[in-house]
Amino acid sequence: DARVTQTPRHKVTEMGQEVTMRCQPILGHNTVFWYRQTMMQGLELLAYFRNRAPLDDSGMPKDRFSAEMPDATLATLKIQPSEPRDSAVYFCASGLQGGSGNTIYFGEGSWLTVV
Amino acid sequence: DAKTTQPNSMESNEEEPVHLPCNHSTISGTDYIHWYRQLPSQGPEYVIHGLTSNVNNRMASLAIAEDRKSSTLILHRATLRDAAVYYCILRVLDSGNTGKLIFGQGTTLQVKP
Repeated sequence: DARVTQTPRHKVTEMGQEVTMRCQPILGHNTVFWYRQTMMQGLELLAYFRNRAPLDDSGMPKDRFSAEMPDATLATLKIQPSEPRDSAVYFCASGLQGGSGNTIYFGEGSWLTVV
Repeated sequence: DAKTTQPNSMESNEEEPVHLPCNHSTISGTDYIHWYRQLPSQGPEYVIHGLTSNVNNRMASLAIAEDRKSSTLILHRATLRDAAVYYCILRVLDSGNTGKLIFGQGTTLQVKP
């Protein structure tokens, strides 16, 4: 079963530390999305890529968050420095774009707690 | 971004059909209607999608109004495992023809034994 793989699954870190979350999209998918989920805000789209090129990161706090795709099999979301308000579940999703009907598949999430 | 409106919560009895409504009065002609669900402690999971015609798959059916301003997700026989948050989403294309999902608050479905 092809699936989106995210690491780490759980992370507890101290405020001010750097956090890097990684995502392996489904092989052959050309679009990758990063979402954040909190109780207050629900699921928010942070950034997305197509063919490894960043298309939109307007949902991300620019001063501390960065998203990259070093290659087609790896997407990263970095927070530096982390703050307690960054505590959330971060989901990566991938899809094969060819029109708006295409399905997006989500990973199981990276559960981040910043203390 | 195009918006959808769903009830906050619904209840169903096990093994009975469930109809989850969604309003999307600002839908445009190229917007696909997608439904995802999220079980506790898991990532969102694709359920079904459609454009104009009703759709069926092994998980559910999607009934789309003729004017496309509303749709209904139908679970034919609810099980306890169907208890989840169900999201109705309009998948819109950006200027580069990439589709993205903007989630609303969804409907929390409770299934009673």
